Amino acid sequence: KQEVTQIPAALSVPEGENLVLNCSFTDSAIYNLQWFRQDPGKGLTSLLLIQSSQREQTSGRLNASLDKSSGRSTLYIAASQPGDSATYLCAVMTTDSWGKFQFGAGTQVVVTP
Amino acid sequence: NAGVTQTPKFRVLKTGQSMTLLCAQDMNHEYMYWYRQDPGMGLRLIHYSVGEGTTAKGEVPDGYNVSRLKKQNFLLGLESAAPSQTSVYFCASMAQVGNEQFFGPGTRLTVL
Repeated sequence: KQEVTQIPAALSVPEGENLVLNCSFTDSAIYNLQWFRQDPGKGLTSLLLIQSSQREQTSGRLNASLDKSSGRSTLYIAASQPGDSATYLCAVMTTDSWGKFQFGAGTQVVVTP
Repeated sequence: NAGVTQTPKFRVLKTGQSMTLLCAQDMNHEYMYWYRQDPGMGLRLIHYSVGEGTTAKGEVPDGYNVSRLKKQNFLLGLESAAPSQTSVYFCASMAQVGNEQFFGPGTRLTVL
């Protein structure tokens, strides 16, 4: 069974610093991986979707990398802003769980002014 | 284009009562999902559907039933609510495998 881990559970950084968020998975036979942002009391907002054939995906200040062999994805957020404060979750679809995602518990980020 | 909507937003039930949560999407997506989110446990899949008229069990299906009679709607039913079902429930949809999931705003359910 795929296990998805996000460490640390929480972190705090000063404004302007780059954010590095980690997502580890145990089964490297993945189909794709999706990063989400969740604000308190809200639903999940899709940030990036990275397919198994891709090494990275970029959108504005966000960059997600994927290393299947090591079972890891990293989300980089450049020049963090207070508005980036949220919980970030990753979700993995493995090739034998067609259509189903396994979620990590998330990393809660606080960006201080 | 409303995306994924959920009804109701909040609900308080007494133990043993029943209710239905409605999820609707206007994106013509094939896949729909019901998750629950509990503190420290991430999102867990309750049931999902790969197309109109289909349903399948997820990771935590006990105590819940679902139906997908129309492509745009996915209903989650609680036949006899229990305090352990106190949670935030999210619906999501996806066009096809390989595409993004889109989430609704959630329903906060409390069972007393």
